[in-house]
Amino acid sequence: DQQVKQNSPSLSVQEGRISILNCDYTNSMFDYFLWYKKYPAEGPTFLISISSIKDKNEDGRFTVFLNKSAKHLSLHIVPSQPGDSAVYFCAAKKSSGDKLTFGTGTRLAVRP
Amino acid sequence: DTGVSQNPRHKITKRGQNVTFRCDPISEHNRLYWYRQTLGQGPEFLTYFQNEAQLEKSRLLSDRFSAERPKGSFSTLEIQRTEQGDSAMYLCASSLFGNTEAFFGQGTRLTVV
Repeated sequence: DQQVKQNSPSLSVQEGRISILNCDYTNSMFDYFLWYKKYPAEGPTFLISISSIKDKNEDGRFTVFLNKSAKHLSLHIVPSQPGDSAVYFCAAKKSSGDKLTFGTGTRLAVRP
Repeated sequence: DTGVSQNPRHKITKRGQNVTFRCDPISEHNRLYWYRQTLGQGPEFLTYFQNEAQLEKSRLLSDRFSAERPKGSFSTLEIQRTEQGDSAMYLCASSLFGNTEAFFGQGTRLTVV
């Protein structure tokens, strides 16, 4: 069963505009949520995380929003840059040291 | 220390052969994880260690798979009698116990022909 879902396999955005990537989860035991970026033939790179006690976390151009009641989180990238073009994975874990459960990814293309 | 290191980066093997991959985590990290990623999917958890103790193994990890982390430093993942279905990217990650984020290596791409 897919406990973490990214229903949009791809997204295309104009440079300078906002990119919004969405993620839904089903397991209410998840307490930490992370976003990773992945380029082809490389391992995932950690971007930003949020714990379930918060509803927003910001780091530069990246902001993650968490809606626990809806079991939904989103990653906002503002402004989007061509170098942001990659596959973005949402991941969740039950405790800080636990294993990660990943979604299937969203491929973001930022058009110049 | 430049991050998590995995070797080899690529491995092509014939069906039925054994293969071994190595992961060197970030030096002070006591947790080490193995994941597998196939095309179009996110990474799937295989197993993890805290220091030298293997704490959890996924049901995905058949009897042909074994992982070790002697002395709590580097780790090896061995696949015996490889099958075509084992073709995937094998990813290693490490973290410091109590910290949320895990840092990944560049992966080992296995192709079984």
